[in-house]
Amino acid sequence: GIQVEQSPPDLILQEGANSTLRCNFSDSVNNLQWFHQNPWGQLINLFYIPSGTKQNGRLSATTVATERYSLLYISSSQTTDSGVYFCAVVLGGYNKLIFGAGTRLAVHP
Amino acid sequence: EAGVAQSPRYKIIEKRQSVAFWCNPISGHATLYWYQQILGQGPKLLIQFQNNGVVDDSQLPKDRFSAERLKGVDSTLKIQPAKLEDSAVYLCASSFSSSEAFFGQGTRLTVV
Repeated sequence: GIQVEQSPPDLILQEGANSTLRCNFSDSVNNLQWFHQNPWGQLINLFYIPSGTKQNGRLSATTVATERYSLLYISSSQTTDSGVYFCAVVLGGYNKLIFGAGTRLAVHP
Repeated sequence: EAGVAQSPRYKIIEKRQSVAFWCNPISGHATLYWYQQILGQGPKLLIQFQNNGVVDDSQLPKDRFSAERLKGVDSTLKIQPAKLEDSAVYLCASSFSSSEAFFGQGTRLTVV
């Protein structure tokens, strides 16, 4: 089956720093989603991005489908950005959603 | 628009007991997913429904887990009998056709 690899597995930042999270996938996909899992376990939708670049405030995402990777950029990080960031690929005729292992982000004041 | 609803939020049971979780997807969403998330790991797909039919249950431990989605709306996931390794958060998600998926708050199961 498809492999979804996220890097780095853990990231510690000072408030105000920028960061880039990466998601590599081993096969063609229909689409890709980025989620933020907050400390209470809720998965929050960030981006739904099959290709190209999208921006939402301090966050942006770029997917290069032909090279099978996606990047999530966080600028001017805040303590509320802490949590786990997951990418999930959408594949197959029924849009199966497969997750990576996540990047655990801690932002310190 | 109401989100995906799950209940209960928390459940503690003894091993070998049975437990059931309930999910009500976003109105109009034909696709419903159940995931298991063990602490420190990414969510693992257990079963996926399209309307009331199963389209993927390849990772569902069918000797103890079962799920149904009667009438193509809400769904229940059951574990019988539970094992210690079933302790996890069980997440339900739904999507409309080929659009993005949205998740409920999850049910945290502890098996003691």
